Amino acid sequence: QSVLTQPPSVSGAPGQRVTISCTGSSSNIGAGYNVHWYRQLPGTAPRLLISGNNYRPSGVPDRFSASKSGTSASLVITGLQAEDEADYYCQSYDSSLSEVFGGGTKLTVL
Amino acid sequence: EVQLVQSGPEAKKPGESLRISCQGSGYSFSTYWIGWVRQMPGKGLEYMGLIYPGDSDTKYSPSFQGRVTISADTAMNSAYLQWTSLKTSDTGIYYCVRLSAQGFDPWGQGTLVTVSS
Repeated sequence: QSVLTQPPSVSGAPGQRVTISCTGSSSNIGAGYNVHWYRQLPGTAPRLLISGNNYRPSGVPDRFSASKSGTSASLVITGLQAEDEADYYCQSYDSSLSEVFGGGTKLTVL
Repeated sequence: EVQLVQSGPEAKKPGESLRISCQGSGYSFSTYWIGWVRQMPGKGLEYMGLIYPGDSDTKYSPSFQGRVTISADTAMNSAYLQWTSLKTSDTGIYYCVRLSAQGFDPWGQGTLVTVSS
């Protein structure tokens, strides 16, 4: 059971908008700690996708955005493309456990 | 270019010891926390612990405290993850990561550890 809860899977058709949620608690997201998002393409290492201050590494398009409210955070992908099919993970800091990850969400492009 | 390069895959038997490495380049190795993340087969990411190479300050996730040892050598610009007695449940891919204000970035390419009798 992960400290941060993500839906196991989401899906959308090309061009659509999808949202991946990341639900925490008052000891992590709710305490104001940043939430970072990572993408893991099949058979590869995860890579930073977007950080808590909406920093995107070079090459990440602005179709990807992130937000946070209360004890939850969200990753929004607009204009869905086939190449977006991957596993997505949220990560934050927990005052009791240190760094923590969400369980991961598999995005399927229909 | 900031880069983390990890040692190659390992195949071990239960009870054996192992140390895997992660070499950083393109930045001041001593001044960033380096972490380790486990990914068991078909599963998600698990944070294991962090080390600050500059003074070897180390923090472990409660789930991994006492089961692994994290160390660093600034002369080699390298961090290490060590087991004294492997179990089959240690099978997985282990990633090293650099901790910055933007989160874990970059990630190493991963080291596959297979523990089987």
